[in-house]
Amino acid sequence: QVQLVESGGGLVKPGGSLRLSCAASGFTFSDYYMSWIRQAPGKGLEWVSYISSSGSTIYYADSVKGRFTISRDNAKNSLYLQMNSLRAEDTAVYYCASAVAGWDAFDIWGQGTMVTVSS
Amino acid sequence: DIQMTQSPSSLSASVGDRVTITCRASQSISSYLNWYQQKPGKAPKLLIYAASSLQSGVPSRFSGSGSGTDFTLTISSLQPEDFATYYCQQSYSTPRVTFGQGTRLEIK
Repeated sequence: QVQLVESGGGLVKPGGSLRLSCAASGFTFSDYYMSWIRQAPGKGLEWVSYISSSGSTIYYADSVKGRFTISRDNAKNSLYLQMNSLRAEDTAVYYCASAVAGWDAFDIWGQGTMVTVSS
Repeated sequence: DIQMTQSPSSLSASVGDRVTITCRASQSISSYLNWYQQKPGKAPKLLIYAASSLQSGVPSRFSGSGSGTDFTLTISSLQPEDFATYYCQQSYSTPRVTFGQGTRLEIK
């Protein structure tokens, strides 16, 4: 079945780094753009980053620009988010998501992975 | 960035009630508006895309309307499984999408 599974979250100290992964299955991963979206505890949804299907076009939210790097490996059906210089305000559940059905609506979401930045 | 404002922020209702949630965009977004349902500890689930199109598998008691800056999500007859938080999202400025702050629907 169509599925996204994130991994790599955990507890990290301020200024530290973490790499999130998202494994896709059940659809042609290389045909679709991917996004990372996060949700701080008790808060709403915030778009973080976008990567085109080929990986040639990338965008970041201003809040993470210069600190986070999105990438993908279409041969491995995998999406990544390298997070450096982490801050307390980066604490959130991170979701990978895809708009497979069109209209730029996210119809496929992973289960999320929790990132906690604390000393 | 396009700002999305939902109202109300929270809502108490009973099973069987008709409920309407409103979402307003800070500029015209045509029909590039999507609605999601999120239950505690779970990922959001797409309900409505393109303002009024029902996602496959979503019950017909959910409907969406609107265009331009003003949109509504209506649940015609609340069921126990509908108590959740609902988010609107504009996809007009893809990839820089933005979400509303959410509407928490609680049991009265």
